[in-house]
Amino acid sequence: EDKVVQSPLSLVVHEGDTVTLNCSYEVTNFRSLLWYKQEKKAPTFLFMLTSSGIEKKSGRLSSILDKKELSSILNITATQTGDSAIYLCAGPGGNYGGATNKLIFGTGTLLAVQP
Amino acid sequence: NAGVTQTPKFRVLKTGQSMTLLCAQDMNHEYMYWYRQDPGMGLRLIHYSVGEGTTAKGEVPDGYNVSRLKKQNFLLGLESAAPSQTSVYFCASRASGVSYEQYFGPGTRLTVT
Repeated sequence: EDKVVQSPLSLVVHEGDTVTLNCSYEVTNFRSLLWYKQEKKAPTFLFMLTSSGIEKKSGRLSSILDKKELSSILNITATQTGDSAIYLCAGPGGNYGGATNKLIFGTGTLLAVQP
Repeated sequence: NAGVTQTPKFRVLKTGQSMTLLCAQDMNHEYMYWYRQDPGMGLRLIHYSVGEGTTAKGEVPDGYNVSRLKKQNFLLGLESAAPSQTSVYFCASRASGVSYEQYFGPGTRLTVT
């Protein structure tokens, strides 16, 4: 069964800390892995990772994929209160046909950044 | 561009009532999706569509129906609402091709009493 697992489930840090969020996946015929940030409303896209070992970066956020370990990490440096959100990891898959058309989401990591 | 929009934003239903949630996208995307999000459960796919006139079941389709009569619209129907359908519903769309990035609407918070 295709599955995406995230850890930790929740995390509380102080402004300025660095955090690492984890995502592991078990999907048939891996294609790519996506990270989303969800604040109060809709998830917004952060990164899509396809190649192992190549870091993607956007400001203080970065992510890397390890195809051998079937995992990815999302790093946030010098955290700010505005980074408080649920971070979702997803991969194309599904056990109900047309696997390339759908994303399987993890349950997310709830990050709270305190001033 | 408005992107993906959803109507309504909030709704309260009594058990047994019916309703339709409307999703519209102006990006000419082929694929559209309906998810529900519950605490601790992540996003779960209800139904999806790979093009106008097509629909398919996702992970949790029971109690829901969908229609995609026009490419830009994807409707989610609840024929007889149950308290277990209290949730936040998100619509998403995606272009065909190698990117799997989905664009999400703002969500509809539905409460069934």
